[in-house]
Amino acid sequence: AQKITQTQPGMFVQEKEAVTLDCTYDTSDQSYGLFWYKQPSSGEMIFLIYQGSYDEQNATEGRYSLNFQKARKSANLVISASQLGDSAMYFCAMREGDAGNMLTFGGGTRLMVKP
Amino acid sequence: NAGVTQTPKFQVLKTGQSMTLQCAQDMNHEYMSWYRQDPGMGLRLIHYSVGAGITDQGEVPNGYNVSRSTTEDFPLRLLSAAPSQTSVYFCASRNSGDSARPQHFGDGTRLSIL
Repeated sequence: AQKITQTQPGMFVQEKEAVTLDCTYDTSDQSYGLFWYKQPSSGEMIFLIYQGSYDEQNATEGRYSLNFQKARKSANLVISASQLGDSAMYFCAMREGDAGNMLTFGGGTRLMVKP
Repeated sequence: NAGVTQTPKFQVLKTGQSMTLQCAQDMNHEYMSWYRQDPGMGLRLIHYSVGAGITDQGEVPNGYNVSRSTTEDFPLRLLSAAPSQTSVYFCASRNSGDSARPQHFGDGTRLSIL
């Protein structure tokens, strides 16, 4: 079974609307971390937001928030008020354990923002 | 502040050639990793290091060697390049102290094997 699953290969959203990018994960560890990265067409990996497995509140960073449902093993990224510059690939990734150095990535979702 | 620096940015090799992808970070991070990204896919871990002198294999280590003689540098070696190694390679580093801290990625090396 895949450890990180992103079921939406591509999505469109109208500028200024909110969009949710799905991510489900699979782990037997009690302690883990979930990350979202943005990869624009220029290719660099840009960190967006982090959620720890023991965090009681959903993470937020500006227009980004994470809808963390631990029992369902989902960590969906919500982008509010979409902008044209949000058009990019978005990757969900998981770090298992507290001190692990390894990230497991999902296959990504390509988001396209329409003007 | 340079962060994570990868060189070269682009490289074309012939099958069977060897080369080293360079990665350097100036943040005194203990953890460093190499990932590859194939078209339309997420990143996959090749090798990683938790400190100078310590390396370990990731998900897709075959065909690659690494060493970590200093905290700053973590080169990735292709001993005999194969077309299946055509990919974009990312180096990343992270401070070991806070598990919530994200990995910092370099800008990538785009490698083509003919």
